[in-house]
Amino acid sequence: GAVVSQHPSWVICKSGTSVKIECRSLDFQATTMFWYRQFPKQSLMLMATSNEGSKATYEQGVEKDKFLINHASLTLSTLTVTSAHPEDSSFYICSAPTADATDTQYFGPGTRLTVL
Amino acid sequence: AQTVTQSQPEMSVQEAETVTLSCTYDTSESNYYLFWYKQPPSRQMILVIRQEAYKQQNATENRFSVNFQKAAKSFSLKISDSQLGDTAMYFCAFMSATSGSRLTFGEGTQLTVNP
Repeated sequence: GAVVSQHPSWVICKSGTSVKIECRSLDFQATTMFWYRQFPKQSLMLMATSNEGSKATYEQGVEKDKFLINHASLTLSTLTVTSAHPEDSSFYICSAPTADATDTQYFGPGTRLTVL
Repeated sequence: AQTVTQSQPEMSVQEAETVTLSCTYDTSESNYYLFWYKQPPSRQMILVIRQEAYKQQNATENRFSVNFQKAAKSFSLKISDSQLGDTAMYFCAFMSATSGSRLTFGEGTQLTVNP
């Protein structure tokens, strides 16, 4: 299957700083990528849809100024958590659908963010 | 809006036995896709099986098969010959053919395979 990578796999930062998470599709191009947040033992919550060459679409209740998304190329989307606070600590996952007829989504391995 | 419901928060099964995970969904659309993903302790989401709504034949992938009942809006996953490596959280997911690849997930079922 297709491969999606995320970097870093885990990060610890101080409150008030910004953190950037990268999501890359390694063997296919993705005009769309998705960003999720997951709390322990819970389901994935869609935060936003990242669109190559245009603005991201945010889900209701997600602060677009806090979670900045940039989709600079067909293989890279970034999520920047600005002015992070302890309540932003979570597991962040990205996914990308293949452009073939199956339209199946493949997921990155996730990034664990801890804000002290 | 679509909803996906998994009514079994936790299940357990003995190694080599068969287990079925339940999933129901609600939609007014006629063209859609259904998925089961597993999330082991590593937290990497892995596609288990996919079903197109227009196909009457149930999808199978080795030890994994589904029972797709379109009229009842039910999409259960059967795991045969359960293995210890099947221990994971399993998520049922819905995708409309017109949603731009957007997935709607159920709450998940934690499956534990016991030796």
